[in-house]
Amino acid sequence: QVQLQESGPGLVKPSQTLSLTCTVSGGSITSGGYYWSWIRQHPGKGLEWIGYIYYSGSTSYNPSLKSRLTISVDTSKNQFSLKLSSVTAADTAVYYCARGAPTIFGVVIHYHFDYWGQGTLVTVSS
Amino acid sequence: DIQMTQSPSSLSASVGDRVTITCRASHSISSYLNWYQQEPGKAPKLLIYTASNLQSGVPSRFSGSGSGTDFTLTISSLQPEDFATYYCQQSYSTPWTFGQGTKVEIK
Repeated sequence: QVQLQESGPGLVKPSQTLSLTCTVSGGSITSGGYYWSWIRQHPGKGLEWIGYIYYSGSTSYNPSLKSRLTISVDTSKNQFSLKLSSVTAADTAVYYCARGAPTIFGVVIHYHFDYWGQGTLVTVSS
Repeated sequence: DIQMTQSPSSLSASVGDRVTITCRASHSISSYLNWYQQEPGKAPKLLIYTASNLQSGVPSRFSGSGSGTDFTLTISSLQPEDFATYYCQQSYSTPWTFGQGTKVEIK
């Protein structure tokens, strides 16, 4: 059974960098063609996809966050990480890591999030 | 970006009711539409992927249909544990986007 667990500071000061790590257990981050993703949810609001990384290091970012965002992977630790710079109160949210699992249609592959971490609340405040 | 619009935003229903939630995409997304259930304080849980495929372990009272721009999630007989918020999500093109959610409440 795959499990994901977010870790990192719950409080970040404005203008600083938010850093989170997701540790994957019960399976290797290098197997199966998965896209390892970050998703956030502002308090009382809907879900926003932040971006994903493949174990090789290739990434895709939400254009709304791209200028401030870095997602990286450490295959030796079975972890992937999120760094979001120059944060403001608008970045206060529950941050989830999730596994994007592929469904293959011929030469086309599409994804769904089949495993999620429990989520971690990050508050941006001085 | 592809905009996903769910309706209704909330609904009240009784145990045993048949419930239908609609999701509309701003552009055609073929069948690349997923549905999630989120209980308060918990992570979302995958129910349906690629419009109509039931995720392993999900009760058969949940079903999905649609293609192109219009999709539905149906709960055939609402159970007490189904009171939650439901989200659709398109995986046709990045940025992957979610609907705003539909909250299913007890009547």
